[in-house]
Amino acid sequence: ETGVTQTPRHLVMGMTNKKSLKCEQHLGHNAMYWYKQSAKKPLELMFVYSLEERVENNSVPSRFSPECPNSSHLFLHLHTLQPEDSALYLCASSQERVNQPQHFGDGTRLSIL
Amino acid sequence: GNSVTQMEGPVTLSEEAFLTINCTYTATGYPSLFWYVQYPGEGLQLLLKATKADDKGSNKGFEATYRKETTSFHLEKGSVQVSDSAVYFCALSGWASGTYKYIFGTGTRLKVLA
Repeated sequence: ETGVTQTPRHLVMGMTNKKSLKCEQHLGHNAMYWYKQSAKKPLELMFVYSLEERVENNSVPSRFSPECPNSSHLFLHLHTLQPEDSALYLCASSQERVNQPQHFGDGTRLSIL
Repeated sequence: GNSVTQMEGPVTLSEEAFLTINCTYTATGYPSLFWYVQYPGEGLQLLLKATKADDKGSNKGFEATYRKETTSFHLEKGSVQVSDSAVYFCALSGWASGTYKYIFGTGTRLKVLA
């Protein structure tokens, strides 16, 4: 398997549920990213991990909790979400300190009831 | 700071028409420039890239030239197809605070009619 894989592709959850999004990259990259893509809004960078250390957190509410156990895997743990959190969540990876493009997964479409 | 500005959409064209989607940037130093495409229900896919001034990126009939003098990276295609209907994002990566930072434009939706 190659590229960036995200699971699940679709997720429907209630506001009181706890769920996790998973991202796995097979490109040998050492930086991983979570983005939020909402309708009619620019792409929003949420978190950046470099060499498994979180290096950026763009004022994301604490109901989103990222985890990067190794350079190939990235999780986004969700709890007590709000309806406005419904969006497409995209994971990306890149090689740190090398001026090359990011590679994206196909995203998880999240719907909050 | 670095930024990317691309034309608002949607852009609606007939099949075989010529396409231009404008993109301009501001950046310090020497950024790399990219165009990504997002088809319905999918993530962003890299379409083409250019890493230095006057480079031309090309792929699947699409082209863009890195113009440092006008700080532009416009996307062009000579003859669009219905299958080109998608959202197109201009992006750059530039050195800032000890790492490369990626900046994306807001996306331009293209609709091609048969």
